[in-house]
Amino acid sequence: DAGVIQSPRHEVTEMGQEVTLRCKPISGHDYLFWYRQTMMRGLELLIYFNNNVPIDDSGMPEDRFSAKMPNASFSTLKIQPSEPRDSAVYFCASSYRRDPSYNEQFFGPGTRLTVL
Amino acid sequence: DAKTTQPPSMDCAEGRAANLPCNHSTISGNEYVYWYRQIHSQGPQYIIHGLKNNETNEMASLIITEDRKSSTLILPHATLRDTAVYYCIVRVARGSNYKLTFGKGTLLTVNP
Repeated sequence: DAGVIQSPRHEVTEMGQEVTLRCKPISGHDYLFWYRQTMMRGLELLIYFNNNVPIDDSGMPEDRFSAKMPNASFSTLKIQPSEPRDSAVYFCASSYRRDPSYNEQFFGPGTRLTVL
Repeated sequence: DAKTTQPPSMDCAEGRAANLPCNHSTISGNEYVYWYRQIHSQGPQYIIHGLKNNETNEMASLIITEDRKSSTLILPHATLRDTAVYYCIVRVARGSNYKLTFGKGTLLTVNP
């Protein structure tokens, strides 16, 4: 398996533009997570899905952020409009539920977003 | 989920065992301890987890004290590639709760 795939790997945009980050989870995984990492705030969970349904979006910073998972093999994280403070590395991760204690999340390589 | 405390940084000589401590004094009976690491510019990687018994896998060993208030991750023979930030996370395993809360972790530097 190719692992979790994220695109683009790097994105540079100007303030006010719409940004769409994409993620393809590992086949067979039923959980998908979106994280954001900055030097100041560390690694933060934004939202996660189970069987394509959002379970917890309490980490989504504000209405400018939205995430969708239209099917088991694809998810998007959209920022509209983007702001300089959104600059960060965004990670997507996926997992499958073996039992409640098991929590091995497989992370993608991340998308480095720079908003000018 | 219980809060964890880790030293911000540690050094280890290549080939020696690296022992990374984690304090979780407020852990409750149904909370598990998880360890992840993040090598520079990569996404985090799962290492190991446990409840109260010591655990070992191909990557590391996890030693949990009898009162479960602290644990130690052991890398038996550290290599330069083990240089990374190591995160200790405590969470309740229940239902569909798969949320992990990452703290600041410990930056382990393995020196030649």
